Amino acid sequence: EVQLVESGGGLVKPGGSLRLSCAASGFTFSSYSMNWVRQAPGKGLEWVSSISSSSSYIYYADSVKGRFTISRDNAKNSLYLQMNSLRAEDTAVYYCAREAGVVAADWYFDLWGRGTLVTVSS
Amino acid sequence: EIVLTQSPGTLSLSPGERATLSCRASQSVSSSYLAWYQQKPGQAPRLLIYGASSRATGIPDRFSGSGSGTDFTLTISRLEPEDFAVYYCQQYGSSPPRTFGQGTKVEIK
Repeated sequence: EVQLVESGGGLVKPGGSLRLSCAASGFTFSSYSMNWVRQAPGKGLEWVSSISSSSSYIYYADSVKGRFTISRDNAKNSLYLQMNSLRAEDTAVYYCAREAGVVAADWYFDLWGRGTLVTVSS
Repeated sequence: EIVLTQSPGTLSLSPGERATLSCRASQSVSSSYLAWYQQKPGQAPRLLIYGASSRATGIPDRFSGSGSGTDFTLTISRLEPEDFAVYYCQQYGSSPPRTFGQGTKVEIK
């Protein structure tokens, strides 16, 4: 089955760190660019970060730049998000999402995980 | 950065009615690289439309997308009970950020 499964969420204090993982299965993970998208409670979707298939291209939203690091291990079919210096406003469900293809016409997100909740609170 | 503004914020309709959702971009979206997603409570978003007007695999033909440049529309021709949800547009034609609109909630009247 083609799927993405996030893990690693939880409760963390402001200023703390957390590492999220996304396990991919059912498709050739190494061929796809991947993204993290978050959703604060009761709010809309916010793109967080993206990484190309070979990790050559990495991008971040301004809101997380310098605090979050995206990475991947194609041998393990896994995507990661290292989150440091966490703030209350980082509280959200974090989804990993696959880009459909390598050309611009296919940069939409065709596969999503179910998400993992990160709560930043003292 | 392209800003997407969706309207209305909430649409109150009855099953069987037609829903028209708008997504307006702050600047032209490259080659109509605009997608629509549906999200139900407690679930991940699901891709409905890409390339402004192409339906994703398995999406019923009551869902249609149109538009170009800065103005895009998602139309649901006849609302089914399972269509009541929140809908987001997203542009993806340029380098990140891959911005989303703020969403339109389609609720039962």
